[in-house]
Amino acid sequence: DTGVSQDPRHKITKRGQNVTFRCDPISEHNRLYWYRQTLGQGPEFLTYFQNEAQLEKSRLLSDRFSAERPKGSFSTLEIQRTEQGDSAMYLCASSLFQGGTGELFFGEGSRLTVL
Amino acid sequence: QQQVKQSPQSLIVQKGGIPIINCAYENTAFDYFPWYQQFPGKGPALLIAIRPDVSEKKEGRFTISFNKSAKQFSLHIMDSQPGDSATYFCAAGQGAQKLVFGQGTRLTINP
Repeated sequence: DTGVSQDPRHKITKRGQNVTFRCDPISEHNRLYWYRQTLGQGPEFLTYFQNEAQLEKSRLLSDRFSAERPKGSFSTLEIQRTEQGDSAMYLCASSLFQGGTGELFFGEGSRLTVL
Repeated sequence: QQQVKQSPQSLIVQKGGIPIINCAYENTAFDYFPWYQQFPGKGPALLIAIRPDVSEKKEGRFTISFNKSAKQFSLHIMDSQPGDSATYFCAAGQGAQKLVFGQGTRLTINP
């Protein structure tokens, strides 16, 4: 399967714990995006990378959130000191950005439940 | 200015009918308008996308109509099937970057 892969698919944690999600994009894709989706809502942009550079972070991304894409391939999204409001589906997408555009391909998401 | 408003929130159509989902945007800098389909437990999958230089685009049973002056676009599904039952999201962005999504429409196609 050469699609976008996310791990873990489900994570249940207690409030105050740290969690980390991993995303493996489609191999030749240079852009990688993180979105958050809560129940009954559309995905909300969090941040994106071009290769290893983080180009933009949403104001939704508090200081407790950090994302990396160290070698321009896979990415991690870490949430420190989780809160119940962090419960959501965290979606990763990748694209081959060329000529000012590039279709986003989404993974199946990592669902976080904070107790 | 970054919002994309989508309606209706839910829609029930008989098999063979033509569900229509509408979206409106505010940011005139947006130049890429995709529609995504999402099944429960899955990530969104791109169905069809349009740019503002055309007023209509068809791919199979899916058609996007685009009205630049009204800043609105819509998705039509021809000959709808029960397998089309899913949540549909419109989105908008500049060059497919940093898409802003609508709130979604839960579509049910009854047999």
